[in-house]
Amino acid sequence: DAKTTQPNSMESNEEEPVHLPCNHSTISGTDYIHWYRQLPSQGPEYVIHGLTSNVNNRMASLAIAEDRKSSTLILHRATLRDAAVYYCIRVSSYKLIFGSGTRLLVRP
Amino acid sequence: GAVVSQHPSWVICKSGTSVKIECRSLDFQATTMFWYRQFPKQSLMLMATSNEGSKATYEQGVEKDKFLINHASLTLSTLTVTSAHPEDSSFYICSAGRRDGYTFGSGTRLTVV
Repeated sequence: DAKTTQPNSMESNEEEPVHLPCNHSTISGTDYIHWYRQLPSQGPEYVIHGLTSNVNNRMASLAIAEDRKSSTLILHRATLRDAAVYYCIRVSSYKLIFGSGTRLLVRP
Repeated sequence: GAVVSQHPSWVICKSGTSVKIECRSLDFQATTMFWYRQFPKQSLMLMATSNEGSKATYEQGVEKDKFLINHASLTLSTLTVTSAHPEDSSFYICSAGRRDGYTFGSGTRLTVV
């Protein structure tokens, strides 16, 4: 099973950090961890990805547990535009298999 | 950055007709593209992997004769929904992979009446 486990929903206040957890306890050594987000009626948007080390880009940071069985997407300062469904995906055999994702609500 | 263009963004068709959806990689070559379907309030479901110059690989439960995929060039993949029925109404999304992640089209909302 290539799916991951995420909370159904989370809430955050605007301009506060958000930590979105993801469990991928059966991940193999060569599977990458990708994060995407999707706004209503749009295609998913790439956020970040990593293999073993923590990763940072202009959108977010990705913290990967040492045993790689879990990871956390960190939005350093949530804005209203960050309200979306966030998908954590194990990439196996180059295919993205989506789980149910976390719906992030950002309160002004 | 990498751009994937999907067309049309929405289409309404009559039951029994066929509809073609195009997915183009605008600034890179994509030997592999992926097609997804998404029902309201649900996650994306992978339908098939489209390979340039060869047959598509369909996920279990997806009818290959109903969802025809053609990937004739390195920048274009098409999905044709044949003999569409109301239950085929959905949001169809394509994507292409690159070394720095996967890029998705903006999606096509198909409504079969």
